[in-house]
Amino acid sequence: RKEVEQDPGPFNVPEGATVAFNCTYSNSASQSFFWYRQDCRKEPKLLMSVYSSGNEDGRFTAQLNRASQYISLLIRDSKLSDSATYLCVVNDRNAGNMLTFGGGTRLMVKP
Amino acid sequence: EPEVTQTPSHQVTQMGQEVILRCVPISNHLYFYWYRQILGQKVEFLVSFYNNEISEKSEIFDDQFSVERPDGSNFTLKIRSTKLEDSAMYFCASTEVPGGNTEAFFGQGTRLTVV
Repeated sequence: RKEVEQDPGPFNVPEGATVAFNCTYSNSASQSFFWYRQDCRKEPKLLMSVYSSGNEDGRFTAQLNRASQYISLLIRDSKLSDSATYLCVVNDRNAGNMLTFGGGTRLMVKP
Repeated sequence: EPEVTQTPSHQVTQMGQEVILRCVPISNHLYFYWYRQILGQKVEFLVSFYNNEISEKSEIFDDQFSVERPDGSNFTLKIRSTKLEDSAMYFCASTEVPGGNTEAFFGQGTRLTVV
């Protein structure tokens, strides 16, 4: 069974803090990796793709370690608006391009 | 910004009834998907659809489920005889091309409540 595992949290952090989330995936054939954000009772929205060399988008940095099948997301200078659930997602192009979602890590940023 | 739209936003149905959930994918997208999320649980893949046929389906997508693209814009999910455990948020998604780092755009979801 192909799984994506995340610490469910919640992570409670003050504004301005740096917070890191981790994720592991079991399917070594996974080919594309993403972080999605989901607000309460809303649809998932793409936060960023994750590339092998690591990539940064403003306050967000994602890393991928294929050997360990491990993905991370670092959020710097947390804002109140960052409060959400962060979903680690992998794509297996050999299986109809289905996305496999982790259970999500909940972040609560407090003033 | 183009978006995936779903109707209705909330559907309440009696156990055993048929429901049809509707989606309008982004107009130039070719690949369509249904996912579901039971309250408090993971988002789960149901089915992918391309070129008027199913390309992949999960074990959840049994004979009670079917998908259709009845015209050039709509993409529907039918549940023939709903069960209590079908209660969930159902998300439609579409992508322009398959896989890679292509972003999947999700609709706002239909909350299905089976009573």
